[in-house]
Amino acid sequence: ETGVTQSPTHLIKTRGQQVTLRCSSQSGHNTVSWYQQALGQGPQFIFQYYREEENGRGNFPPRFSGLQFPNYSSELNVNALELDDSALYLCASSLLGRVNSPLHFGNGTRLTVT
Amino acid sequence: DQQVKQNSPSLSVQEGRISILNCDYTNSMFDYFLWYKKYPAEGPTFLISISSIKDKNEDGRFTVFLNKSAKHLSLHIVPSQPGDSAVYFCAASPYYGGSQGNLIFGKGTKLSVKP
Repeated sequence: ETGVTQSPTHLIKTRGQQVTLRCSSQSGHNTVSWYQQALGQGPQFIFQYYREEENGRGNFPPRFSGLQFPNYSSELNVNALELDDSALYLCASSLLGRVNSPLHFGNGTRLTVT
Repeated sequence: DQQVKQNSPSLSVQEGRISILNCDYTNSMFDYFLWYKKYPAEGPTFLISISSIKDKNEDGRFTVFLNKSAKHLSLHIVPSQPGDSAVYFCAASPYYGGSQGNLIFGKGTKLSVKP
C-alpha cells in the first residue's frame, strides 16, 4: 500500500510569486484534503476534493486553489504569496463514506515566503 | 475562536508510567474525535478515534475517553514508552467516521517520555 507523498519537501518563494504544491493520494483513496500548519499551531483545513471537485473549504481566500486529477493526485496553488503563507502544507487522503477511514497525511511541504 | 483546545503545550512523564493528554471542545455539533501523533519532519499519523455515541475506545496501549457533557476528551497511554515522544493533536469533525476532510485540530501537546 503506497502512502501519501508530497513534493517538493521544501520551497522558498518571494512575496507576490505563485506556487504549486503536489500530492499523490494513498492507493484506494478517493478524496484529497489540504491543510496549512503554521509554526506552533495545529493543521488548519484549506479544502477537500472529491471526484475532481471542491467538496468543502475552510476560511482561506480565493488565491488558494486546487485541483484533483482522475488518478486522485492533487495540486495546491497559491497566488500572490504573502509572508504569512510561510507554513507547512499537508496533504491528506481518505476513502469518503467508509466508516473508520481517517485522514492519512503526507510528510508535508515546507514553504518559506521571503 | 478556537473550537478545539489543548491547554497543555507540553507534558513530561517517566517511562512505564501513564501519560494523559487532554482536549476540550466548544462545538456540540462535533460527532467524531480523533487523535494524531506527529514526529518532527513527518506528517501526522492517525492513532485512535471515538464517535460521540461512545464514551471509551481502546486500542492496545491507547485509550480515548469522551465526556460529552463536559465537552472533554482525553488520551491515555499506558505504559508510556520513549518512542511515544511526539506532538499529539486532538481533532474533531462534525461528520461520523473522520473521512470528511474538514477536521478541526487543536494546537497540540508535546509529550516527552524519559527513560
